[in-house]
Amino acid sequence: EAGVAQSPRYKIIEKRQSVAFWCNPISGHATLYWYQQILGQGPKLLIQFQNNGVVDDSQLPKDRFSAERLKGVDSTLKIQPAKLEDSAVYLCASSFAPGELETQYFGPGTRLLVL
Amino acid sequence: AQSVAQPEDQVNVAEGNPLTVKCTYSVSGNPYLFWYVQYPNRGLQFLLKYITGDNLVKGSYGFEAEFNKSQTSFHLKKPSALVSDSALYFCAVSQLGRRALTFGSGTRLQVQP
Repeated sequence: EAGVAQSPRYKIIEKRQSVAFWCNPISGHATLYWYQQILGQGPKLLIQFQNNGVVDDSQLPKDRFSAERLKGVDSTLKIQPAKLEDSAVYLCASSFAPGELETQYFGPGTRLLVL
Repeated sequence: AQSVAQPEDQVNVAEGNPLTVKCTYSVSGNPYLFWYVQYPNRGLQFLLKYITGDNLVKGSYGFEAEFNKSQTSFHLKKPSALVSDSALYFCAVSQLGRRALTFGSGTRLQVQP
């Protein structure tokens, strides 16, 4: 079974530029998550989708971050404009169903460096 | 609110010795607890989880964890460490009505040959 796919793996941009990350979840997984992992910290949830609807985006900085999952499969996370403090690894995860008991499976992440 | 504490930034153990990586949690209701491992330049890999039932949970690669409600702990253990176990380990918690996982800051395990 293929895992969660993410691209690109690495991205370097200058502050105030925009950037987009792509995620393809495990086939059949209805729930998709985006996490931000700053160096030395644990991942922090940015947004959770159930199919193509947003379940939780309470920690997403909506003035600069946006995410979509138009067809309930792939998802894109965008940052515009980027700030230095956005330098982090952006992890995508998926689970078969929503809920506190479900195991989340993570992709390899996209490492972003903002200069 | 829910939170997780991993009090040790790094744990060093010799190959063949038992290992323990500590985790304590704080939730208002019953906790659902998870352990993940992260190898360099790779995403988090699921090791095990506690939902209910037996306090000793067995997971992948010979790891196990013990849920202790009175001490609000969920320590990760392995009877005999391997050099290949060297990685970053994360404890996470969720609870009924809180879909998101809250992660600890991680513990780096270094197993010396």
